[in-house]
Amino acid sequence: DAGVTQSPTHLIKTRGQHVTLRCSPISGHKSVSWYQQVLGQGPQFIFQYYEKEERGRGNFPDRFSARQFPNYSSELNVNALLLGDSALYLCASRVGRVNTGELFFGEGSRLTVL
Amino acid sequence: TQLLEQSPQFLSIQEGENLTVYCNSSSVFSSLQWYRQEPGEGPVLLVTVVTGGEVKKLKRLTFQFGDARKDSSLHITAAQPGDTGLYLCAGAGSNDYKLSFGAGTTVTVRA
Repeated sequence: DAGVTQSPTHLIKTRGQHVTLRCSPISGHKSVSWYQQVLGQGPQFIFQYYEKEERGRGNFPDRFSARQFPNYSSELNVNALLLGDSALYLCASRVGRVNTGELFFGEGSRLTVL
Repeated sequence: TQLLEQSPQFLSIQEGENLTVYCNSSSVFSSLQWYRQEPGEGPVLLVTVVTGGEVKKLKRLTFQFGDARKDSSLHITAAQPGDTGLYLCAGAGSNDYKLSFGAGTTVTVRA
């Protein structure tokens, strides 16, 4: 079975641009979460979507938005990119909404903002 | 600011030596997880501990959850180069949907 897949794996943007990152969860998983991992830090929670609705949001500005589609795949959008948005963006999926059961991470999308 | 503090930040040892990584918090968690992350990959779950004082063993890895469920440790016996990676601890509250991660401990095992 395929794991969590993310695209693109690497991308370079300039300040002020917009970026869309995509995630396909493991088949049967209805919950998708997004985390930002800055170099030298642990992942920081951005969003959780469950059954196509936002169920939780971390301490990130409104420039960050996301959505989940009927097939449970998800997109993370970041507007007006700043240098500080450079990070590894991780998508993770699990079967249910709350912290029961394993959380499976994708390999991430490495965003560099110049 | 990380809710969970991990120490040490970096650890470099020779193959065959033992090591211990610590994860501490002022908050109580209903469960605590340990992940290992290798370069270019996402974190992979190693273990989940849920009961205060719980000890779990996974081959050469031993995980302990503090009695008050605020801290945890990971001990590796006879480390091997394949143990090299970033070790992350993550705490979760009951009925919570997110994980709070520590900053991680980078472990390098030299052959």
